[in-house]
Amino acid sequence: EVQLVESGGGLVQSGGSQRLSCAASGFTFSNYDMTWVRQAPGKGLEWVSAITSGGRSTYYADSVRGRFTISRDNSKNTLYLQMISLRAEDTAVYYCAQRGSSWHFDNWGQGVLVTVSS
Amino acid sequence: EIVMTQSPATLSVSPGERATLSCRASQSFSSNLAWYQQKPGQAPRLLIYGASARATGIPVRFSGSGSGTEFTLTISSLQSEDFAVYYCQQYNSWPLTFGGGTKVEIK
Repeated sequence: EVQLVESGGGLVQSGGSQRLSCAASGFTFSNYDMTWVRQAPGKGLEWVSAITSGGRSTYYADSVRGRFTISRDNSKNTLYLQMISLRAEDTAVYYCAQRGSSWHFDNWGQGVLVTVSS
Repeated sequence: EIVMTQSPATLSVSPGERATLSCRASQSFSSNLAWYQQKPGQAPRLLIYGASARATGIPVRFSGSGSGTEFTLTISSLQSEDFAVYYCQQYNSWPLTFGGGTKVEIK
């Protein structure tokens, strides 16, 4: 069974930094592209960033480019999202998700809340 | 960026009735479209990919259709567990984008 477990959320001040982790199990992590999607309170889904299986290629939404960095450690079966210069509008539940046969997302974690206080 | 617009924002349907949800893209593409269901407090769940292929374990009452700029999710006979928010997502080009969602509520 595929499991994705996010951690690292919490309360952070505006301008601060946070690193999210997503621990993967139940599949061969190194074979799969991965992504982060976020959801502000009461709002819809917003794609944030993606990374290919070997980590060679990364993609970002304009809203986070230059502030967020996606990475992975295939030896630890873990996906990361390093966030700097956080803003109030970054407050959201952050989900990691596993890419399917194309860039749709077959499996999702339960999400982790990041709250940026001003 | 491809902007995805879903309509209606809220759909009131009685159990057993048919629900038709719309997703319109600002640019045309063939079939790189997915639909997700999200219930309160839960992560999204993939329903449909490739515009019309059901994901593993998804009941046959869910069907997807469309291409170009117009896509549709149809739930043939709503069950109590289907009342939720539904999102479309295009993966034809970067950045990946989601629609704003349609909430299906009990009439």
